[in-house]
Amino acid sequence: EPEVTQTPSHQVTQMGQEVILRCVPISNHLYFYWYRQILGQKVEFLVSFYNNEISEKSEIFDDQFSVERPDGSNFTLKIRSTKLEDSAMYFCASSEDRGYQPQHFGDGTRLSIL
Amino acid sequence: RKEVEQDPGPFNVPEGATVAFNCTYSNSASQSFFWYRQDCRKEPKLLMSVYSSGNEDGRFTAQLNRASQYISLLIRDSKLSDSATYLCVVNSNNDMRFGAGTRLTVKP
Repeated sequence: EPEVTQTPSHQVTQMGQEVILRCVPISNHLYFYWYRQILGQKVEFLVSFYNNEISEKSEIFDDQFSVERPDGSNFTLKIRSTKLEDSAMYFCASSEDRGYQPQHFGDGTRLSIL
Repeated sequence: RKEVEQDPGPFNVPEGATVAFNCTYSNSASQSFFWYRQDCRKEPKLLMSVYSSGNEDGRFTAQLNRASQYISLLIRDSKLSDSATYLCVVNSNNDMRFGAGTRLTVKP
């Protein structure tokens, strides 16, 4: 069964540094997403991406964040000047369509900011 | 009112029990509905989509009540492996909103 893959599985970074989280969505999917889950809290939507541009973003997704699809397979989330409160699990997801088909999640990147 | 609201539990049930979870949502224009399960420190995994007519997958039954804006999940003959957090997910115009989840523990 095709799956969403994410790398790295765990990233430890000093506060103030930039990090890039990588995702390879399922190959025939057209919509891509990033979510965040702070330990013990619920899954929070960050951003959706379609046709090489952001289609929606949440209030969490401020200027510190950016997304990119640099080639035909990768989908990245960049966090500039990381803060302690950015420590969380970051999940990438993809779906075939806009909202009716379910999203499929990668197994996440645990980001730890020191 | 929260956009998607679930009873956080925990629900502690013996093996073989039947357990039901409800979830309410605030946006009446919501288009699609799902139940996901999430194991500790793992990704959410799709359990089932929820259709207007109700749907069943083995021991799991999902129902949607648009008039009252809630969805439900029924688990029959619960197994130890059903222990997880169950997430209600509601989609409105490609804006997926997650409930905080209901924690289920099935005990021998």
